[in-house]
Amino acid sequence: DQQVKQNSPSLSVQEGRISILNCDYTNSMFDYFLWYKKYPAEGPTFLISISSIKDKNEDGRFTVFLNKSAKHLSLHIVPSQPGDSAVYFCAASEWEYGNKLVFGAGTILRVKS
Amino acid sequence: DTGVSQNPRHKITKRGQNVTFRCDPISEHNRLYWYRQTLGQGPEFLTYFQNEAQLEKSRLLSDRFSAERPKGSFSTLEIQRTEQGDSAMYLCASSLAQGRLAGWFEQFFGPGTRLTVL
Repeated sequence: DQQVKQNSPSLSVQEGRISILNCDYTNSMFDYFLWYKKYPAEGPTFLISISSIKDKNEDGRFTVFLNKSAKHLSLHIVPSQPGDSAVYFCAASEWEYGNKLVFGAGTILRVKS
Repeated sequence: DTGVSQNPRHKITKRGQNVTFRCDPISEHNRLYWYRQTLGQGPEFLTYFQNEAQLEKSRLLSDRFSAERPKGSFSTLEIQRTEQGDSAMYLCASSLAQGRLAGWFEQFFGPGTRLTVL
C-alpha cells in the first residue's frame, strides 16, 4: 500500500517559470510533510517542510501548500532555475512512529534554459 | 565536516557473501535511521535507533539483516548471505529529537552505499 504518491514521474519547465510538484497521501495520521531534493549519486537533501497545523510554508523560492481535506500537498518553485533540475521526493511522517519518513516515488524535474 | 558520512560508497559482492556498511551521523544527533532505495522508487524505511536503542524494524528487514549502534554513535548495517534482491542504495540519516513540544527536526541524509550483488 502506497501511503504517499507522486503521480507525475517527470516534469519539464522553462527557466524562470513556475514548477509545481504534486503529492497525495492516504494516511490521515501523518502530521509532518517534507520535500527532499536528490541529485544522482548523492543522498536526499532537505528542502522545506510543513506541519499539519499549517496550510502554507514559504522559504525563498520554495513554497509548500498543504490541503488536509484533500490529503494533497504541492511544492511551488518560483522562478525555476536550471540548477533545480533533480529528483524531488515528497515524504510524510508521524511523531508517534519515531518520525520515520514515508516517501513517494519521486518526480524528475528538468528546468530548460 | 559535520555531515552524515557512509562507508563504503560502493560495494560489489557475490551472492551468499556477507557485507557490512557503516554510518557516522552528525555528532549531536540522537536518532539514526536506515533506508533502502531501489531504482525508480523513493527510500523505504528499514530501522531506526534512539541513542543505542533500536526502536523499530520494518518488515522489510529480514532475519539476514542486522543493525547496531553501539554507544549511540556510529551504526553498522550487516547483510548476511546476500541475495540479488538486496541490490540497492542503502541510505543513513540522522536527526535530533527532543520531544514533541520541541518541534520536528529534519533528517539529514548521508551519500548512501550502493550495493550490487552478482
